[in-house]
Amino acid sequence: GENVEQHPSTLSVQEGDSAVIKCTYSDSASNYFPWYKQELGKRPQLIIDIRSNVGEKKDQRIAVTLNKTAKHFSLHITETQPEDSAVYFCAASDNNNNDMRFGAGTRLTVKP
Amino acid sequence: GAVVSQHPSRVICKSGTSVKIECRSLDFQATTMFWYRQFPKQSLMLMATSNEGSKATYEQGVEKDKFLINHASLTLSTLTVTSAHPEDSSFYICSAWDLANYGYTFGSGTRLTVV
Repeated sequence: GENVEQHPSTLSVQEGDSAVIKCTYSDSASNYFPWYKQELGKRPQLIIDIRSNVGEKKDQRIAVTLNKTAKHFSLHITETQPEDSAVYFCAASDNNNNDMRFGAGTRLTVKP
Repeated sequence: GAVVSQHPSRVICKSGTSVKIECRSLDFQATTMFWYRQFPKQSLMLMATSNEGSKATYEQGVEKDKFLINHASLTLSTLTVTSAHPEDSSFYICSAWDLANYGYTFGSGTRLTVV
């Protein structure tokens, strides 16, 4: 089955700096890669996703890149703000209604 | 957008009792529901996948007789934790694939505490 690895587990940046979180996956059939932000005790919130037919997607301060050959994808947050502080999870699935596997999560802290 | 309603949000039960968690898709048909468990400061671990009208598929290490999953209709899936023990205390959350919006929709989660 799919195995998703995520690094780093914790990340601390200064407000205004960029943050990068990286994930790798094992199943070459995976073609849907969402990123979630989770506040404590709440459901994961989708912040951006990418499908295997594109290599990069951007939404304001958030961008995701995908390298299918290397089986890795990354989340980039620019101009970080304190409210970006949360736990971020990457995930992978083959999006044909099959299960989605999560990375271990990254706790991002943005210092004002 | 698609909504999955999950209840209860919090439940405290005594050791040995059973607890049922419901997830309902409110405005779409969820042919497949995924059930996750999340321990504090850990990731979401897939427990099982349920398909409407058929038996659930459990992940390795998840006891199917302990975590009973029923997906009797296209809008309702339930997870029953039977003979709960303190180690079952966790955050349980469901997720459904919404074909129309081409994405996964999560329930709000259930915090289970077994005392």
